Amino acid sequence: DGGITQSPKYLFRKEGQNVTLSCEQNLNHDAMYWYRQDPGQGLRLIYYSQIVNDFQKGDIAEGYSVSREKKESFPLTVTSAQKNPTAFYLCASSIVTSGRGEQFFGPGTRLTVL
Amino acid sequence: GIQVEQSPPDLILQEGANSTLRCNFSDSVNNLQWFHQNPWGQLINLFYIPSGTKQNGRLSATTVATERYSLLYISSSQTTDSGVYFCAVGTGANSKLTFGKGITLSVRP
Repeated sequence: DGGITQSPKYLFRKEGQNVTLSCEQNLNHDAMYWYRQDPGQGLRLIYYSQIVNDFQKGDIAEGYSVSREKKESFPLTVTSAQKNPTAFYLCASSIVTSGRGEQFFGPGTRLTVL
Repeated sequence: GIQVEQSPPDLILQEGANSTLRCNFSDSVNNLQWFHQNPWGQLINLFYIPSGTKQNGRLSATTVATERYSLLYISSSQTTDSGVYFCAVGTGANSKLTFGKGITLSVRP
């Protein structure tokens, strides 16, 4: 089946540790995105990539890093510099990179910092 | 940046009732999507509707781009319609979506 997969579903991290969230898509989409959702809030954009080996900061990029070495994959690293990393993280992709493409979302990863 | 406001913030319905959810945005858009977030957090695409009207079963949506609002209609609501409904918009050549804070819908049997 075509779709977007995220792993793990739940992740627990100790303060001071970096952690990497996986996002893979087999939809042959050009663009990929990472969003963060806090309880009772909408989603906010962390990073996005419109093409392999290129990515741009979103609205809340501080404390996060990404890479885009393959079209299918867009991993997100939550670093120890992120002040409040506990949140629900959602990955998305779209086929058109001109701003007119419909975005589709993966099932998300819930990160808890202990 | 663009502002997205959704109303009402909360909505309680009796099963079978109809409802209208509203999304206002502060600038021209070339992307507008409605999503339903289920209890497990999955965002389900309802409509991609930067302008015009679309219908899918009991749901329909209308976007009036010139007046900067979109409406989502739910008819004959069911308990499975419960959850959070998000409107998200995109502008210009940038692909990113800006989300509203969502509307929490509870449908009672």
